[in-house]
Amino acid sequence: QVQLVESGGGVVQPGRSLRLSCAASGFIFSSYGMHWVRQAPGKGLEWLAAISSDGSDQHYADSVKGRFSIYRDNSRNTLYLHMFILRPEDTAVYYCARGSSGGSGLRAYIDSWGQGTLVTVSS
Amino acid sequence: DIQMTQSPSTLSASVGDRVTITCRASQNINSWLAWYQQKPGKAPKVLIYKASSLETGVPSRFSGSGSETEFTLTISSLQPDDFATYYCQQYNSLYTFGQGTKLEI
Repeated sequence: QVQLVESGGGVVQPGRSLRLSCAASGFIFSSYGMHWVRQAPGKGLEWLAAISSDGSDQHYADSVKGRFSIYRDNSRNTLYLHMFILRPEDTAVYYCARGSSGGSGLRAYIDSWGQGTLVTVSS
Repeated sequence: DIQMTQSPSTLSASVGDRVTITCRASQNINSWLAWYQQKPGKAPKVLIYKASSLETGVPSRFSGSGSETEFTLTISSLQPDDFATYYCQQYNSLYTFGQGTKLEI
């Protein structure tokens, strides 16, 4: 079955960077677009970024464009999110998620989610 | 950017009730809409995609309808396991979630 396991979360100081990883298994990773979604404590879901199955197309929410970078290594079945210049408002659980199809990563709903990794931005 | 507005924000209901949650898009998204269920401390789970298609394994008491800017999620007969928070999401132009509807006893 589809398994997505995030790692890399923790406590980080404002202004610092952090890289999250998502190890995928149970499906052909290189055939699917992938996403990152976050949820601040007690708040709703916020889509952050998507990447096409081959990694050539990336799309970002305005709130993180220029600060976050999504990329993937299909040889390692791993998705990444590199977050720069972190702010206290970036504190959230970060979910890795699979799109329902491949191609550009767009026009596909999210059909599988990881369990999430908590990032806390605090001095 | 496309904004998604759900109503109500909170819904109180009882086991066996029929409930409806509404989601409105700020512009036409055709039928590119999904519904998710999330329980506390857990990842969301997709229920409905393409506005009205039931995801495999989801009970048939869940149904979705609508197109363009107005959509609904209906649970025909609430079960104890259904008390959770529900989100709509458009995927016509990038992605946007609604703010969520908490369904409580």
